[in-house]
Amino acid sequence: DTEVTQTPKHLVMGMTNKKSLKCEQHMGHRAMYWYKQKAKKPPELMFVYSYEKLSINESVPSRFSPECPNSSLLNLHLHALQPEDSALYLCASSQRKQAYEQYFGPGTRLTVT
Amino acid sequence: ILNVEQSPQSLHVQEGDSTNFTCSFPSSNFYALHWYRWETAKSPEALFVMTLNGDEKKKGRISATLNTKEGYSYLYIKGSQPEDSATYLCAHDNYGQNFVFGPGTRLSVLP
Repeated sequence: DTEVTQTPKHLVMGMTNKKSLKCEQHMGHRAMYWYKQKAKKPPELMFVYSYEKLSINESVPSRFSPECPNSSLLNLHLHALQPEDSALYLCASSQRKQAYEQYFGPGTRLTVT
Repeated sequence: ILNVEQSPQSLHVQEGDSTNFTCSFPSSNFYALHWYRWETAKSPEALFVMTLNGDEKKKGRISATLNTKEGYSYLYIKGSQPEDSATYLCAHDNYGQNFVFGPGTRLSVLP
């Protein structure tokens, strides 16, 4: 199984809502990533987990809260988002954090109204 | 903040042509350079990860070279096919402390 799955595929939320994005992989990878991707721009790294511990936090606003419950799952909790947070949120995983190819999920298209 | 650049921004070639494009990155604190292929409405797909100066990797008609001392990598496509049309992204991996994608080169292969 070389697949990274993400749910939901699409999400529309108001600025006062709380929602969560989910990512799952069963490749035994020990590094997992959240990226934000705006239209026609490359992905921008938000968070990296290595062995279920937060390794890199690219100065992301606190309204985004990551969680890694176990080695296969990665969540992104959303609260009080702004319209400019509307984007495609991509999850990826790799064997280890450094110098291993990343496998990307299909993404969650988030719209904040 | 790492500055990863790619050129050209876009490229149009005829089917059968060979082509190449460039990724440039800071040579200090280098750990690895990644290449990804990104088709419209799909997720990026890994092509190569290179770590050593002088490294060359090949996958079918696509190959890549790496020069860590001067901070650049070339991606080559031999005999381009329409299915090669995509955006090609490079990414700089800085000791696992940072992972930055370049803006990409958009390749269109005309039949």
